[in-house]
Amino acid sequence: GQQVMQIPQYQHVQEGEDFTTYCNSSTTLSNIQWYKQRPGGHPVFLIQLVKSGEVKKQKRLTFQFGEAKKNSSLHITATQTTDVGTYFCAGRTDSWGKLQFGAGTQVVVTP
Amino acid sequence: NAGVTQTPKFQVLKTGQSMTLQCAQDMNHEYMSWYRQDPGMGLRLIHYSVGAGITDQGEVPNGYNVSRSTTEDFPLRLLSAAPSQTSVYFCASSYTRMRGDYGYTFGSGTRLTVV
Repeated sequence: GQQVMQIPQYQHVQEGEDFTTYCNSSTTLSNIQWYKQRPGGHPVFLIQLVKSGEVKKQKRLTFQFGEAKKNSSLHITATQTTDVGTYFCAGRTDSWGKLQFGAGTQVVVTP
Repeated sequence: NAGVTQTPKFQVLKTGQSMTLQCAQDMNHEYMSWYRQDPGMGLRLIHYSVGAGITDQGEVPNGYNVSRSTTEDFPLRLLSAAPSQTSVYFCASSYTRMRGDYGYTFGSGTRLTVV
């Protein structure tokens, strides 16, 4: 079955640094979504990528969908303490397919 | 709009007890689903529904039942609680793929402890 893997599982970042988290699927995806969950909170939808090679930006966050539509990345520049949380990717393989969530990357930011 | 409302926020059950976790949405979303979240395991799908009267199993359905009698409500029933069901439960809803791709809207969660 479909597997969505995220690496790293844990990321410790100093404030002001950049970092990237990666999402890899065992099968080709029709689209991929990213969510952020603050500590003690619930997942919040950030963005969706659909096209091969697509790149989207939200302020300091850059999302990319791989050419083969089997991987994705989230890059955060100049990390701030507000970036603390767990970032999940979630992929769907077909029109009626359920979203398959990765295990998440937990981000801790030190001032 | 309230979005997705889950009740209760916290619950402690004894092994063998049954209970229903409530989920309601006011966005006219066709798709509703239940996830459980355990440390290091991400979000695992329990059950989902693509419309009133239609439900299906996710990857971890054992010990749980659902029904969807209206578009707005999607309750999750624990039949006989076990300590392994201690978790945080999230309800999520969205439009279906037929309307285009939309992200899920999650409720605030129910933190369940089974002793």
